[in-house]
Amino acid sequence: DQQVKQNSPSLSVQEGRISILNCDYTNSMFDYFLWYKKYPAEGPTFLISISSIKDKNEDGRFTVFLNKSAKHLSLHIVPSQPGDSAVYFCAASALQGAQKLVFGQGTRLTINP
Amino acid sequence: GAGVSQTPSNKVTEKGKYVELRCDPISGHTALYWYRQSLGQGPEFLIYFQGTGAADDSGLPNDRFFAVRPEGSVSTLKIQRTERGDSAVYLCASSAGPNNEQFFGPGTRLTVL
Repeated sequence: DQQVKQNSPSLSVQEGRISILNCDYTNSMFDYFLWYKKYPAEGPTFLISISSIKDKNEDGRFTVFLNKSAKHLSLHIVPSQPGDSAVYFCAASALQGAQKLVFGQGTRLTINP
Repeated sequence: GAGVSQTPSNKVTEKGKYVELRCDPISGHTALYWYRQSLGQGPEFLIYFQGTGAADDSGLPNDRFFAVRPEGSVSTLKIQRTERGDSAVYLCASSAGPNNEQFFGPGTRLTVL
Protein backbone atom coordinates (compact mmCIF):
# COMPACT_ATOMS: atom_id res chain seq x y z
CA ASP A 1 0.00 0.00 0.00
CA GLN A 2 1.34 3.40 -0.99
CA GLN A 3 1.07 5.53 2.15
CA VAL A 4 2.48 8.64 0.48
CA LYS A 5 1.34 9.44 -3.03
CA GLN A 6 2.43 11.95 -5.59
CA ASN A 7 -0.07 11.55 -8.37
CA SER A 8 1.65 13.75 -10.93
CA PRO A 9 4.73 12.06 -12.38
CA SER A 10 5.75 15.23 -14.15
CA LEU A 11 5.08 18.97 -14.23
CA SER A 12 6.25 21.62 -16.67
CA VAL A 13 6.27 25.31 -15.65
CA GLN A 14 7.41 28.50 -17.28
CA GLU A 15 10.37 30.26 -15.71
CA GLY A 16 9.21 32.96 -13.30
CA ARG A 17 5.82 31.35 -12.70
CA ILE A 18 4.70 29.40 -9.64
CA SER A 19 5.31 25.65 -9.41
CA ILE A 20 2.90 23.68 -7.24
CA LEU A 21 3.72 20.08 -6.36
CA ASN A 22 1.17 17.98 -4.54
CA CYS A 23 1.33 15.06 -2.15
CA ASP A 24 -1.32 12.98 -0.38
CA TYR A 25 -0.90 10.58 2.52
CA THR A 26 -3.10 7.96 4.09
CA ASN A 27 -1.47 7.20 7.45
CA SER A 28 -2.93 9.46 10.15
CA MET A 29 0.07 8.65 12.39
CA PHE A 30 2.31 10.77 10.16
CA ASP A 31 3.07 14.07 11.83
CA TYR A 32 6.22 15.30 10.15
CA PHE A 33 6.54 15.96 6.44
CA LEU A 34 9.48 16.78 4.24
CA TRP A 35 10.28 17.65 0.66
CA TYR A 36 13.47 16.44 -0.99
CA LYS A 37 14.92 17.46 -4.32
CA LYS A 38 16.94 15.09 -6.47
CA TYR A 39 19.22 15.73 -9.43
CA PRO A 40 20.33 12.85 -11.68
CA ALA A 41 23.16 10.71 -10.24
CA GLU A 42 22.92 12.48 -6.89
CA GLY A 43 21.19 11.57 -3.65
CA PRO A 44 18.08 13.43 -2.52
CA THR A 45 18.76 16.71 -0.74
CA PHE A 46 16.51 18.12 1.95
CA LEU A 47 14.51 21.15 0.91
CA ILE A 48 11.90 22.05 3.51
CA SER A 49 9.81 20.39 6.20
CA ILE A 50 6.67 20.95 8.23
CA SER A 51 5.36 19.61 11.50
CA SER A 52 1.72 18.67 11.85
CA ILE A 53 1.20 21.43 14.40
CA LYS A 54 1.64 23.97 11.59
CA ASP A 55 -0.20 24.51 8.35
CA LYS A 56 2.47 26.51 6.56
CA ASN A 57 6.24 26.81 6.50
CA GLU A 58 8.16 29.20 4.32
CA ASP A 59 11.83 29.33 3.36
CA GLY A 60 12.74 31.83 0.69
CA ARG A 61 11.10 30.83 -2.59
CA PHE A 62 9.77 27.60 -1.09
CA THR A 63 6.57 27.24 0.92
CA VAL A 64 4.99 24.04 2.14
CA PHE A 65 1.30 23.92 3.02
CA LEU A 66 -0.27 21.17 5.10
CA ASN A 67 -3.98 20.35 5.19
CA LYS A 68 -4.32 17.67 7.86
CA SER A 69 -8.04 17.13 7.44
CA ALA A 70 -7.49 16.37 3.76
CA LYS A 71 -4.20 14.55 4.41
CA HIS A 72 -2.65 16.68 1.72
CA LEU A 73 0.42 18.81 1.42
CA SER A 74 1.83 20.93 -1.32
CA LEU A 75 5.11 22.62 -2.18
CA HIS A 76 5.02 26.02 -3.82
CA ILE A 77 8.06 27.42 -5.59
CA VAL A 78 7.87 31.02 -6.64
CA PRO A 79 9.35 32.33 -8.80
CA SER A 80 10.45 29.12 -10.53
CA GLN A 81 13.99 29.09 -11.88
CA PRO A 82 15.69 26.75 -14.40
CA GLY A 83 17.86 25.34 -11.60
CA ASP A 84 14.69 24.08 -9.91
CA SER A 85 14.34 21.43 -12.61
CA ALA A 86 14.69 18.14 -10.71
CA VAL A 87 12.67 15.30 -9.23
CA TYR A 88 10.86 16.28 -6.04
CA PHE A 89 9.96 13.73 -3.40
CA CYS A 90 7.48 14.16 -0.61
CA ALA A 91 8.26 12.17 2.54
CA ALA A 92 6.54 11.59 5.86
CA SER A 93 7.33 10.14 9.25
CA ALA A 94 5.65 9.47 12.57
CA LEU A 95 7.15 11.04 15.70
CA GLN A 96 8.06 7.77 17.25
CA GLY A 97 9.60 6.57 14.02
CA ALA A 98 11.07 9.81 12.83
CA GLN A 99 14.05 7.98 11.48
CA LYS A 100 11.96 5.99 9.05
CA LEU A 101 10.93 8.18 6.15
CA VAL A 102 8.16 7.05 3.81
CA PHE A 103 8.56 8.58 0.36
CA GLY A 104 6.18 9.28 -2.48
CA GLN A 105 7.00 8.26 -6.04
CA GLY A 106 8.33 11.67 -7.00
CA THR A 107 7.35 14.41 -9.45
CA ARG A 108 9.73 15.49 -12.21
CA LEU A 109 9.62 19.29 -12.45
CA THR A 110 10.83 20.97 -15.61
CA ILE A 111 11.22 24.73 -15.71
CA ASN A 112 11.11 26.09 -19.23
CA PRO A 113 12.99 29.30 -20.07
CA GLY B 1 34.85 15.34 5.86
CA ALA B 2 32.46 16.01 3.04
CA GLY B 3 29.08 14.40 2.55
CA VAL B 4 27.96 10.80 2.63
CA SER B 5 29.94 8.66 0.22
CA GLN B 6 29.00 5.30 -1.25
CA THR B 7 31.06 2.74 -3.09
CA PRO B 8 30.93 1.45 -5.69
CA SER B 9 28.85 3.92 -7.67
CA ASN B 10 27.82 1.12 -10.02
CA LYS B 11 27.79 -2.63 -9.55
CA VAL B 12 26.84 -5.18 -12.15
CA THR B 13 26.56 -8.77 -11.02
CA GLU B 14 25.05 -12.03 -12.10
CA LYS B 15 21.99 -13.65 -10.61
CA GLY B 16 22.92 -15.75 -7.61
CA LYS B 17 26.09 -13.84 -6.71
CA TYR B 18 26.88 -12.09 -3.44
CA VAL B 19 27.42 -8.31 -3.30
CA GLU B 20 28.53 -5.80 -0.70
CA LEU B 21 27.70 -2.11 -0.85
CA ARG B 22 29.58 0.35 1.33
CA CYS B 23 28.50 3.58 2.97
CA ASP B 24 30.73 6.18 4.63
CA PRO B 25 28.54 8.54 6.65
CA ILE B 26 29.28 12.13 7.56
CA SER B 27 31.86 12.16 10.33
CA GLY B 28 30.25 12.22 13.75
CA HIS B 29 26.80 11.18 12.57
CA THR B 30 25.48 8.49 14.87
CA ALA B 31 22.45 7.52 12.81
CA LEU B 32 22.74 5.72 9.48
CA TYR B 33 20.01 4.58 7.10
CA TRP B 34 19.75 2.42 4.02
CA TYR B 35 17.04 2.93 1.41
CA ARG B 36 16.37 1.30 -1.93
CA GLN B 37 15.00 3.16 -4.92
CA SER B 38 13.53 1.17 -7.77
CA LEU B 39 12.92 2.71 -11.17
CA GLY B 40 10.08 5.22 -11.10
CA GLN B 41 9.62 4.94 -7.35
CA GLY B 42 10.68 6.91 -4.31
CA PRO B 43 13.28 5.63 -1.87
CA GLU B 44 12.05 2.76 0.29
CA PHE B 45 13.36 2.33 3.84
CA LEU B 46 15.44 -0.76 4.52
CA ILE B 47 17.26 -0.41 7.84
CA TYR B 48 18.33 2.15 10.42
CA PHE B 49 21.38 2.04 12.69
CA GLN B 50 21.87 4.05 15.84
CA GLY B 51 25.55 3.61 16.63
CA THR B 52 26.57 0.02 15.99
CA GLY B 53 23.17 -1.57 16.44
CA ALA B 54 20.34 -1.97 13.98
CA ALA B 55 17.51 -0.11 15.69
CA ASP B 56 14.96 -0.86 12.97
CA ASP B 57 15.40 -3.46 10.23
CA SER B 58 11.73 -3.74 9.37
CA GLY B 59 12.32 -2.70 5.76
CA LEU B 60 14.70 -5.50 4.80
CA PRO B 61 12.75 -7.50 2.22
CA ASN B 62 13.99 -10.96 3.21
CA ASP B 63 16.86 -12.81 4.85
CA ARG B 64 19.09 -12.44 1.79
CA PHE B 65 19.65 -8.85 2.90
CA PHE B 66 21.87 -8.02 5.84
CA ALA B 67 23.67 -4.89 7.00
CA VAL B 68 26.39 -4.21 9.54
CA ARG B 69 28.01 -1.21 11.15
CA PRO B 70 30.63 -2.77 13.42
CA GLU B 71 32.36 0.41 14.63
CA GLY B 72 29.46 2.81 14.45
CA SER B 73 30.73 4.56 11.36
CA VAL B 74 31.05 2.77 8.00
CA SER B 75 28.21 0.45 7.10
CA THR B 76 28.02 -2.42 4.62
CA LEU B 77 24.83 -3.70 3.04
CA LYS B 78 25.20 -7.34 2.03
CA ILE B 79 22.96 -9.13 -0.43
CA GLN B 80 23.22 -12.89 -0.87
CA ARG B 81 22.02 -14.91 -3.86
CA THR B 82 21.10 -11.79 -5.79
CA GLU B 83 17.97 -11.80 -7.93
CA ARG B 84 17.06 -9.63 -10.90
CA GLY B 85 14.43 -7.93 -8.74
CA ASP B 86 17.20 -6.61 -6.48
CA SER B 87 18.27 -4.26 -9.27
CA ALA B 88 17.84 -0.73 -7.92
CA VAL B 89 19.73 2.27 -6.59
CA TYR B 90 20.73 1.68 -2.98
CA LEU B 91 20.89 4.93 -1.03
CA CYS B 92 22.59 5.53 2.27
CA ALA B 93 21.86 8.48 4.54
CA SER B 94 23.22 9.68 7.85
CA SER B 95 22.08 12.13 10.47
CA ALA B 96 23.43 13.61 13.67
CA GLY B 97 20.67 11.87 15.58
CA PRO B 98 17.50 9.91 14.92
CA ASN B 99 15.31 13.01 14.69
CA ASN B 100 17.70 15.14 12.68
CA GLU B 101 17.83 15.83 8.97
CA GLN B 102 18.99 12.89 6.88
CA PHE B 103 21.80 13.59 4.41
CA PHE B 104 21.88 11.20 1.47
CA GLY B 105 24.77 9.81 -0.48
CA PRO B 106 24.74 9.53 -4.30
CA GLY B 107 23.73 5.88 -4.17
CA THR B 108 25.03 2.63 -5.64
CA ARG B 109 23.28 1.47 -8.78
CA LEU B 110 23.04 -2.32 -8.60
CA THR B 111 22.23 -4.26 -11.74
CA VAL B 112 21.63 -7.99 -11.50
CA LEU B 113 21.80 -9.73 -14.86
